[in-house]
Amino acid sequence: KNEVEQSPQNLTAQEGEFITINCSYSVGISALHWLQQHPGGGIVSLFMLSSGKKKHGRLIATINIQEKHSSLHITASHPRDSAVYICAGMDSNYQLIWGAGTKLIIKP
Amino acid sequence: GEEVAQTPKHLVRGEGQKAKLYCAPIKGHSYVFWYQQVLKNEFKFLISFQNENVFDETGMPKERFSAKCLPNSPCSLEIQATKLEDSAVYFCASSQNTGLAGGNEQFFGPGTRLTVL
Repeated sequence: KNEVEQSPQNLTAQEGEFITINCSYSVGISALHWLQQHPGGGIVSLFMLSSGKKKHGRLIATINIQEKHSSLHITASHPRDSAVYICAGMDSNYQLIWGAGTKLIIKP
Repeated sequence: GEEVAQTPKHLVRGEGQKAKLYCAPIKGHSYVFWYQQVLKNEFKFLISFQNENVFDETGMPKERFSAKCLPNSPCSLEIQATKLEDSAVYFCASSQNTGLAGGNEQFFGPGTRLTVL
């Protein structure tokens, strides 16, 4: 069965801190999505990774295929980064297998 | 269009009534996905389409749920005889699936919040 496990479930940090969210996945997952869900409910696709590393602004996503592990990093975190971050693995039918999400709160 | 559009934003139905949700994928995207979010973070895959053909329906409940993607029309997800447990946010996503790097990335609509009373 394809599975995606994400940690931590909740994360509170001070503005400016470096944030790391981790995701492990099972065999059968060919790519990883990192998604952000705002308090209003909208979902934004941040990255899709099948190898290596991607960077967009203060966000960095890495994936280690051998270890079946991915991380999302936020540098110089800001209160507006507060949201739920979700990793979702893509299976061979392009279906997303969702992690449980990490609720991130950045305090000013 | 440049964004996935979903209508309506909110839908309230009495138990037993029919609910119909619509999704217009990004122009040029050939794959459409429906996901159900129950409670805060529990997402469940329902069904996907490649153009107007069902691609993967392994997540669809066997009864009461149906979906279509017809040419030149928004895709639709219909729930016959809604139940309380159908209350959820239903997200639609679309992707190009070109086989090239990044071509499988899914882009999400704003969701339809269904409340069954």
